[in-house]
Amino acid sequence: RKEVEQDPGPFNVPEGATVAFNCTYSNSASQSFFWYRQDCRKEPKLLMSVYSSGNEDGRFTAQLNRASQYISLLIRDSKLSDSATYLCVVTNDYKLSFGAGTTVTVRA
Amino acid sequence: EAGVAQSPRYKIIEKRQSVAFWCNPISGHATLYWYQQILGQGPKLLIQFQNNGVVDDSQLPKDRFSAERLKGVDSTLKIQPAKLEDSAVYLCASSFKRETGGYEQYFGPGTRLTVT
Repeated sequence: RKEVEQDPGPFNVPEGATVAFNCTYSNSASQSFFWYRQDCRKEPKLLMSVYSSGNEDGRFTAQLNRASQYISLLIRDSKLSDSATYLCVVTNDYKLSFGAGTTVTVRA
Repeated sequence: EAGVAQSPRYKIIEKRQSVAFWCNPISGHATLYWYQQILGQGPKLLIQFQNNGVVDDSQLPKDRFSAERLKGVDSTLKIQPAKLEDSAVYLCASSFKRETGGYEQYFGPGTRLTVT
């Protein structure tokens, strides 16, 4: 079983729509969780950390469910510029594990 | 603040040739990572340094890959000899440990390697 698994998508949504997707992790001792965004042929960039209580950053909301071992990302009022691959990252002490990414395409 | 620097940005070599990549992390970041990212996949950790010591190199193909970070700052990753399956983007990242826990990583632009 992979340490971090994501639905690869693609999620094709119209502008203004809400899109949400999850990431599951296998190590219950995992400590920190992040969402990274990766544009085509670019490096990953930190989008947001994921806290136990859930957190928002503008149109983006991240949630953590430790009992079921998954994190989620919700994007409200999608913009064309949100089109990207979203990578889930799970850390256990110093070790970071990446998911393969979920591709989101926002269409006009 | 300057980001993570990598060079070259692109490299095309023939199989069995050698290649080296260079990375300069963000100033003050003690931890440095090399990842391999194959198209359609997430980054795969090759090696992680804490200052100039290796923390994790369990997924580094040591028969052909080597990496060093002699002075605890910049680092080089070498492949010798290259195989076709080494075609990928090689990403360098550096990080600091957050007060709230976990390591926040910043990536360089990557080196796109094509082995023919």
